Amino acid sequence: SQTIHQWPATLVQPVGSPLSLECTVEGTSNPNLYWYRQAAGRGLQLLFYSVGIGQISSEVPQNLSASRPQDRQFILSSKKLLLSDSGFYLCAWRPGSLNSPLHFGNGTRLTVT
Amino acid sequence: SQELEQSPQSLIVQEGKNLTINCTSSKTLYGLYWYKQKYGEGLIFLMMLQKGGEEKSHEKITAKLDEKKQQSSLHITASQPSHAGIYLCGAARRNAGNNRKLIWGLGTSLAVNP
Repeated sequence: SQTIHQWPATLVQPVGSPLSLECTVEGTSNPNLYWYRQAAGRGLQLLFYSVGIGQISSEVPQNLSASRPQDRQFILSSKKLLLSDSGFYLCAWRPGSLNSPLHFGNGTRLTVT
Repeated sequence: SQELEQSPQSLIVQEGKNLTINCTSSKTLYGLYWYKQKYGEGLIFLMMLQKGGEEKSHEKITAKLDEKKQQSSLHITASQPSHAGIYLCGAARRNAGNNRKLIWGLGTSLAVNP
């Protein structure tokens, strides 16, 4: 069966520090991968998605970037964190079929101080 | 304004009571997804509805899709404390490039009092 791992679960970082959140999927190949941010009262905001290695689509301009160095690995990064980057970050995957539901990781609570 | 409106925003029910959560779209629905989230955790997939009139059940949770009304309802029968959490609906949309994307409601927070 397929599983998705996301880490760390919580992170407290000072403003201006770098960020690296990692997500890996097991038990499938060539998944579509997604990074979402969830802010209180604002729902889920799609940040990036990837349909293949090295293929990254950005949904909103921001202080973040994403990379997919391997088929089942998706990384969310920032060179310098802002206070506004605080939030709950969720990685998700689904098979290539667009009719399949998303499956989410357990999320990372990021607090920028 | 939200493309997907969920109602109510929050709900408190007594254990054993039935309840309904609605998800209404301002545009045509191509697919509707229901998820449950415990605070601070990821989203758990519940059900996916794709055709008008479609109805699916998972244990005591039933979801229906009314395509004409552009609405889906999630009904929980004989609620239990384990049903507590945030319920989110997501819908597939076609963007300007005719690509599908998912949009989300803001969620309905459910508390079940024993």
